[in-house]
Amino acid sequence: EAQVTQNPRYLITVTGKKLTVTCSQNMNHEYMSWYRQDPGLGLRQIYYSMNVEVTDKGDVPEGYKVSRKEKRNFPLILESPSPNQTSLYFCASSFRTSGVNYNEQFFGPGTRLTVL
Amino acid sequence: AQKVTQAQTEISVVEKEDVTLDCVYETRDTTYYLFWYKQPPSGELVFLIRRNSFDEQNEISGRYSWNFQKSTSSFNFTITASQVVDSAVYFCALSAFPQGAQKLVFGQGTRLTINP
Repeated sequence: EAQVTQNPRYLITVTGKKLTVTCSQNMNHEYMSWYRQDPGLGLRQIYYSMNVEVTDKGDVPEGYKVSRKEKRNFPLILESPSPNQTSLYFCASSFRTSGVNYNEQFFGPGTRLTVL
Repeated sequence: AQKVTQAQTEISVVEKEDVTLDCVYETRDTTYYLFWYKQPPSGELVFLIRRNSFDEQNEISGRYSWNFQKSTSSFNFTITASQVVDSAVYFCALSAFPQGAQKLVFGQGTRLTINP
């Protein structure tokens, strides 16, 4: 089954304790992204990746890191989480056609993170 | 910069009523795509439609229809004869990145409740 998976689905942690949220897709998609969803703000892009070893900042990158060492994986790293990073996080992937990517994104199930 | 505005935060209607969700966007790019996603109570994000900036034809898919008007920078979504299963948060999104990167800007979302 074609899908984007995220782990963990739920996480409660404390301020300053490094954590990683994993994201994996089995569709051989070139593009991957991370978003956070907060009430009243919709989804905001954190980082995106156009391909292996190619990443760039989205609209709210502060406090986050990413890496894209393999095409299928795009982990989100919080080196020192703070309470304002409590949110619902979504990973997404998409495919390239004709050199320009405006295709729909496929989203993972979400990771609900609480930072105390 | 790109921006998407969904002015209706919450809408509540009785089953079988028609309902329109508004979406207004801002971009300076001539090539862009607009999307609608549905987020049911279970939390996943479901792709509904993609429309490019050169195609102003309205689209109908069953009880769903979309009205794209470049003159007013709007991409409204209408559900005809609403059903309880239509209850969800609906997001409008814009992709307008000439270099072809995967950058998606979401509106704040509209929470639609269909009452039996």
